[in-house]
Amino acid sequence: QKEVEQNSGPLSVPEGAIASLNCTYSDRGSQSFFWYRQYSGKSPELIMFIYSNGDKEDGRFTAQLNKASQYVSLLIRDSQPSDSATYLCAVTGGGNQFYFGTGTSLTVIP
Amino acid sequence: DAGVTQSPTHLIKTRGQQVTLRCSPKSGHDTVSWYQQALGQGPQFIFQYYEEEERQRGNFPDRFSGHQFPNYSSELNVNALLLGDSALYLCASSYGGQETQYFGPGTRLLVL
Repeated sequence: QKEVEQNSGPLSVPEGAIASLNCTYSDRGSQSFFWYRQYSGKSPELIMFIYSNGDKEDGRFTAQLNKASQYVSLLIRDSQPSDSATYLCAVTGGGNQFYFGTGTSLTVIP
Repeated sequence: DAGVTQSPTHLIKTRGQQVTLRCSPKSGHDTVSWYQQALGQGPQFIFQYYEEEERQRGNFPDRFSGHQFPNYSSELNVNALLLGDSALYLCASSYGGQETQYFGPGTRLLVL
């Protein structure tokens, strides 16, 4: 059973701060890693993906991957109230089947 | 550029009934995956369709079946509905072997 673990939160940060979301996975063969944002009552929205060890930046978002530690994280800089949502980590093993975590609820306090 | 669309948006059924959910992929995409998302949980993979065939299947019973049409749209059928089938059903599309998937708005199913 491939597992993806996330802290369910809720995680609260003040507006303008850095929010750090973490995810661990059990399958060492996992190859691709995705972060989705899901607003309450809506469907998941792709934020970014990362394949290689290290950091990948896209605007205010930075994904970090450490395959040796089986760990992937998402940093949100200059957090805004509109970032308040549930963040889902997803992992694939190259077979197009996504394994999702249960998500971390983030609240950005104005 | 049309995104992923799903219908209906909401559905109420009773136990034992059958339901069909529909999905049209994003323009240019040819692969459709279906997910079930229970309240407070992450999406769970049901199956994926490519070239009108089921390419991969998750840990769901045979009551869950699907189909893909030549225009790449897809249907999810669930027979003999159980109360536990109540969930948000999500369709995601992608192109060929690419892993990046984009989700539709979902169909919220309530089984009474």
